Amino acid sequence: AQSVTQLDSQVPVFEEAPVELRCNYSSSVSVYLFWYVQYPNQGLQLLLKYLSGSTLVKGINGFEAEFNKSQTSFHLRKPSVHISDTAEYFCAVSDESNTGKLIFGQGTTLQVKP
Amino acid sequence: DAGVIQSPRHEVTEMGQEVTLRCKPISGHNSLFWYRQTMMRGLELLIYFNNNVPIDDSGMPEDRFSAKMPNASFSTLKIQPSEPRDSAVYFCASSFPQETQYFGPGTRLLVL
Repeated sequence: AQSVTQLDSQVPVFEEAPVELRCNYSSSVSVYLFWYVQYPNQGLQLLLKYLSGSTLVKGINGFEAEFNKSQTSFHLRKPSVHISDTAEYFCAVSDESNTGKLIFGQGTTLQVKP
Repeated sequence: DAGVIQSPRHEVTEMGQEVTLRCKPISGHNSLFWYRQTMMRGLELLIYFNNNVPIDDSGMPEDRFSAKMPNASFSTLKIQPSEPRDSAVYFCASSFPQETQYFGPGTRLLVL
């Protein structure tokens, strides 16, 4: 069965430091990959997505992610974080049956400290 | 576009009462998803519709939960009777088929 594993439940980091949020997935077929962000008391918002083409994907707010097929990973990175990046981040993979369903990871809470 | 609209934003009710959550998807989207988010279980897909037809309701916890989509611009998720363990944030999302899902702001439900 498909699954998404976000390796860290919480990532504390100081402001202006770089950050990487890790995501691994399991799938036997080509999939689409997504990162969503959830700010406190809000719904999920798309940060970026990988459908095909270049493995380095740039998203909003200075985030980027790299698709690595051999390692089945889709890690999210930002070179310099801000206090306002404090939020929960979800990695998701499209369902193998191509129905439009997304399989979400458990989420990673990014805590940016001043 | 106003995005996905959910109502109410907050709901407090007593155990045993019926609860109805509402969702208006983005105009033109023909896939609609209902999710539940709790601290313990994270984000769970309850049910989703394509072209107003329920495709997969395997995530619906039990018979107390039901969802309908009478037309392309409206869906409801009903809990009857509600229980304290149903307390959660319920999200609706919509999309074009196999495209990015856009989430609503959620309904925060508290069952006392």
